[in-house]
Amino acid sequence: DIQMTQSPSTLSASVGDSVTITCRASQNIINYLNWYQQKPGKAPKLLIHAASRLQSGAPPRFSGSGSGTEFTLTINSLQPEDFATYYCQHSYTTLPYTFGQGTKLEIK
Amino acid sequence: EVQLVESGGGLVQPGGSLRLSCVASGFNFDDFSMHWVRQLPGKGLEWVSLITGDGGSTYYADSVEGRFTISRDNGKNSLYLLLNSLRSEDTALYFCARDNHGQSVAFDNWGQGTLVTVSS
Repeated sequence: DIQMTQSPSTLSASVGDSVTITCRASQNIINYLNWYQQKPGKAPKLLIHAASRLQSGAPPRFSGSGSGTEFTLTINSLQPEDFATYYCQHSYTTLPYTFGQGTKLEIK
Repeated sequence: EVQLVESGGGLVQPGGSLRLSCVASGFNFDDFSMHWVRQLPGKGLEWVSLITGDGGSTYYADSVEGRFTISRDNGKNSLYLLLNSLRSEDTALYFCARDNHGQSVAFDNWGQGTLVTVSS
């Protein structure tokens, strides 16, 4: 199975800050990488697919980059509604489509 | 508007069975592969199973292979997950999710989840 490792596990920031979350894959997944946002008690919401493509309806302050084994999610000018947990997920050819362990973004 | 609504969760004893359902609306259901994903209490996300749009192919995580069965009824716009031989470690919130049918797979719509608790 492809392992996905996110860092950091927890991130503290203030409204207006810019933050970056990193996701590393255990093997080359080209650009088959998705990012989701999950708020407490809610289902995950797709933000970015194919490493850098913004999902319809997701705010443009979210951006993704990377290829191969290292990927990043950047959130510019944090808004109060952005404080949540973020997950990466690979969707390379081989199942299972594993998720990272999550990064909790907290208000400083 | 795409909607996915799960049901069927509940409390079940170890070794027991449960059938989860997910009713879809707002899109051509049989055009899309569908997934089940679970979330253990306070933990991360685990992909569980996939079924193609015509129901002809199914795939499972190793942790549930041989115990869980995914199926669908396209006439009823419904997805199912039959959970057999349940263990305490299957206790989780189970989500159904739509495959975005893109070159790069992603789960673009999710239900609200249904909670399965395995306990004596």
